[in-house]
Amino acid sequence: ETVLTQSPATLSLSPGERATLSCRASQTVSRYLAWYQQKPGQAPRLLIYDASHRATGVPDRFSGSGSGTDFTLTISSLEPEDFGVYYCQQRSRWPPFGGGTRVEIK
Amino acid sequence: QLQLQESGPGVVNPSETLSLICTVSGGSISGSHYYWGWIRQPPGKGLEWIGTVYNSVNTYYSPSLKTRLTISVDMSKNQFSLNLTSVTAADTAVYYCARVDGSSWYGWLDPWGPGTLVTVSS
Repeated sequence: ETVLTQSPATLSLSPGERATLSCRASQTVSRYLAWYQQKPGQAPRLLIYDASHRATGVPDRFSGSGSGTDFTLTISSLEPEDFGVYYCQQRSRWPPFGGGTRVEIK
Repeated sequence: QLQLQESGPGVVNPSETLSLICTVSGGSISGSHYYWGWIRQPPGKGLEWIGTVYNSVNTYYSPSLKTRLTISVDMSKNQFSLNLTSVTAADTAVYYCARVDGSSWYGWLDPWGPGTLVTVSS
């Protein structure tokens, strides 16, 4: 079993600030990690796959980095529409999802 | 543009079977290297992968659900379905279907359906 631990649980920031979200795996997952954004009442949306590749249509203020066990999602300058919950997911071993980080307006 | 849409009853009685269908439009469910998956989210909680299907005969199920779960494909209707037996209140959740990239049974999910809330209650 590979556990994905996301931190912090909640991030309180203002529009325009930089957001840094962490996802740590209990075993190496190479670069097989993705990030999703979920807004209230909506399905999750794929943002980043293979650790650092932006999905189609994702703004370039979103970037992913890391490999092995430590990964980071960075939002360079928060827009009002970026507030929500972010999940990481790995595809190497069960279970796939982390617990999420909520990004809220300060 | 590929779109997915979940459908099924919003309320299921305890001990009965939860049945959902995902209808895929804008592309074919067959003849591709993609898998098709179900994910759920209990109210106020995180995401849980339920299971994945490929080409009607190949499936992967969550270890915690596999004794109660069947996922199948109807290529003639461009749909895939979920059946979960002996449901309890713990199965109350928003259920999502999604396309899974073919790199893994639990590969990247894109796109997703909008989700449907299923409540287990008498």
